Amino acid sequence: EIVMTQSPATLSVSPGERATLSCRASQSVSNNLAWYQQKPGQAPRLLIYGASTRATGIPARFSGSGSGTEFTLTISSLQSEDFAVYYCQQYNNWPPWTFGQGTKVEIK
Amino acid sequence: QLQLQESGPGLVKPSETLSLTCTVSDGSISSSGYYWGWIRQPPGKGLEWIGSIYYSGSTYYNPSLKSRVTISVDTSKNQFSLKLSSVTAADTAVYYCARHVWGSGYPYYFDYWGQGTLVTVSS
Repeated sequence: EIVMTQSPATLSVSPGERATLSCRASQSVSNNLAWYQQKPGQAPRLLIYGASTRATGIPARFSGSGSGTEFTLTISSLQSEDFAVYYCQQYNNWPPWTFGQGTKVEIK
Repeated sequence: QLQLQESGPGLVKPSETLSLTCTVSDGSISSSGYYWGWIRQPPGKGLEWIGSIYYSGSTYYNPSLKSRVTISVDTSKNQFSLKLSSVTAADTAVYYCARHVWGSGYPYYFDYWGQGTLVTVSS
C-alpha cells in the first residue's frame, strides 16, 4: 500500500497570500495524483488530477506540480472561500486508492 | 449536473451489518468510463477508500476491509449499495459515495461526490 504524507498538518495564511501544500508518496506514483478541497460539513471537491490539471470550474489560482514522490498544491492568492482542508490521493498503485491525512489551511 | 445521494440507517449496533445505498441522478450509472465508489471519513479524521464497482458488477475492494465488504449495483434503479458486516465503533464515520473516473485501464480519481451520511455504531 502506498502511504501518502501531507505537510504541514496546519498552515496559517493571511488572505491574499500564497499557500504551498506538500504531499509525499512512499513510492513513486508517477503523475497519478489528485488534490481535493473539503470544507466543514461538505464532501470533498476535486481540484486537480494528473498532478497538474485543474478540474472543471476550478479557478486558476489553484495549481499543482510534481511527479514521482513529491507533489505541491499552490494557491496563489488565498481567498476567504479557500480556507479548508486539502487532501491528496494517489491512483498509481491500487488497490487501495489512498489519501493523505490532509492539510488544514486556516486564517492567520 | 450529476448528483449522488446516500441513504440508510444512521445508527447500527455493534456486530451487525451496515447497509447504505447511493442513488445516482441526472446521469446513468451504466455509463462507460466510470466506476462508482464508497469512501468513508471517521469524525475529525481523513478519507479512506472502501471499494468501487462498475455497472457490470466488477469490483475493487480495500484489502483492509475486503473480508467484511460487499458492494453491489442495481442498474434498473440507478443505484449502488454498500454492506459492511461485523461493525464496531471503529466503523463510525461519514460515508460518501462518489463517481470513480476511469483512466487508462483502471479507475483514477473521484470527480462527483454525494453529501455524505453519518453512520454511528453504538448499542
